[in-house]
Amino acid sequence: EAGVAQSPRYKIIEKRQSVAFWCNPISGHATLYWYQQILGQGPKLLIQFQNNGVVDDSQLPKDRFSAERLKGVDSTLKIQPAKLEDSAVYLCASSQSGGFLNYGYTFGSGTRLTVV
Amino acid sequence: QKEVEQNSGPLSVPEGAIASLNCTYSDRGSQSFFWYRQYSGKSPELIMSIYSNGDKEDGRFTAQLNKASQYVSLLIRDSQPSDSATYLCAVNTGNQFYFGTGTSLTVIP
Repeated sequence: EAGVAQSPRYKIIEKRQSVAFWCNPISGHATLYWYQQILGQGPKLLIQFQNNGVVDDSQLPKDRFSAERLKGVDSTLKIQPAKLEDSAVYLCASSQSGGFLNYGYTFGSGTRLTVV
Repeated sequence: QKEVEQNSGPLSVPEGAIASLNCTYSDRGSQSFFWYRQYSGKSPELIMSIYSNGDKEDGRFTAQLNKASQYVSLLIRDSQPSDSATYLCAVNTGNQFYFGTGTSLTVIP
């Protein structure tokens, strides 16, 4: 089974620039998550999709972050404009529908963002 | 109070010893509990899940859950240098899924 695919692996941008990350979940996984992991901290949920609908985006800084999951498969997370404190690893994860209660997540390899 | 708390460590154990990692959580309604291993520069990898009180064993790993004390632990027997990583505790509460900050484990050859 192919894993969760993410790109790019690394990105360096200047503050106030915009950036986008892409995620392709495991085939058949209806639930997709974007997490932010700052160095030395645990992952923090930014947004959760069930198919192409948003289940939870309570911790997404909506003034600068946006995410979409068109057609219920791939997802894109965008930051515009970026701030220095956005430097982190952005992890995408997926699970079977309602499966996170039983199966946990499968994470992608992440995108390491550095804002300078 | 944080939803999930872990001792950040670092925890060092000699090769072959038992490593004990602990986690407490604040919400008594939490339903599912997970341990993830994260190597430096890599994404978290699920190693154990537990849902009911007691012990659950999988190879060298044993997860322990005590809902009355709101406590979950991970024991690693016969620790190997390859077990050196950060171990993240994750707790599912309703629709929310919370991670601890992780405990750094170093196994000394």
